[in-house]
Amino acid sequence: EIVLTQSPGTLSLSPGERATLSCTTSQRLVSTYLAWYQQKAGQAPRLLIYDASTRATGIPDRFRGSGSGSDFTLTITRLEPEDFAVYYCHQYGRSPRTFGQGTKVEIK
Amino acid sequence: QMEMQESGPGLAKPSETLSLTCTVSGGSINTRSYYWGWIRQPPGKGLEWIGNYYFGGSTDYNPSLMGRVTISADTSKNQLSLSLNYVTDTDTATYYCVRAKGCYVEYLGVVTLSACHMDVWGKGTPVIVSS
Repeated sequence: EIVLTQSPGTLSLSPGERATLSCTTSQRLVSTYLAWYQQKAGQAPRLLIYDASTRATGIPDRFRGSGSGSDFTLTITRLEPEDFAVYYCHQYGRSPRTFGQGTKVEIK
Repeated sequence: QMEMQESGPGLAKPSETLSLTCTVSGGSINTRSYYWGWIRQPPGKGLEWIGNYYFGGSTDYNPSLMGRVTISADTSKNQLSLSLNYVTDTDTATYYCVRAKGCYVEYLGVVTLSACHMDVWGKGTPVIVSS
């Protein structure tokens, strides 16, 4: 099983600041089979990024995914009030599919 | 626009079988383009992949569920089902049904069609396992 480790666990930032979230996989992904999801309290997760760097339909361009191999990053270039949420990475290159434990982006 | 809606009993007793249904609207589940699956989230915790179903009946499950899980589909009703046997309190969670894009994944030189990113989620249904 591929284990995904996200860091930091919590990120305390102010609106307008830049957020950098990390996801490290225990085994190198052969290709960029990695997605990012956003989950707000009481809601289902929402797909943000797939194939490591492709934004899903309707996702603003302030969300940027990058990385390959074992190290992946989600960057939110300028935080908007609605971006404060929990973010999960997810690998789909191998079964079982696995998720990171999540990074909470909270208002400072 | 596709929507997915989970339904089922909100409460189950230990050792019983939990059965959930997901009704899909806005598109057919009888397609080769997508996989259909279940994800769960215990209270205050992260996401866990349960398994996927694909056109024609092929399935893929998380080994951590130790053979307790079955995912099936009724294409005439456009519904996906989840059955989880011998539940315990560790199965208490919100259960989501999802649509996953089918894409080609390469591993050790072999390319296979696989379930990739999950682009449509139901709102989730909470299940508590308690006597």
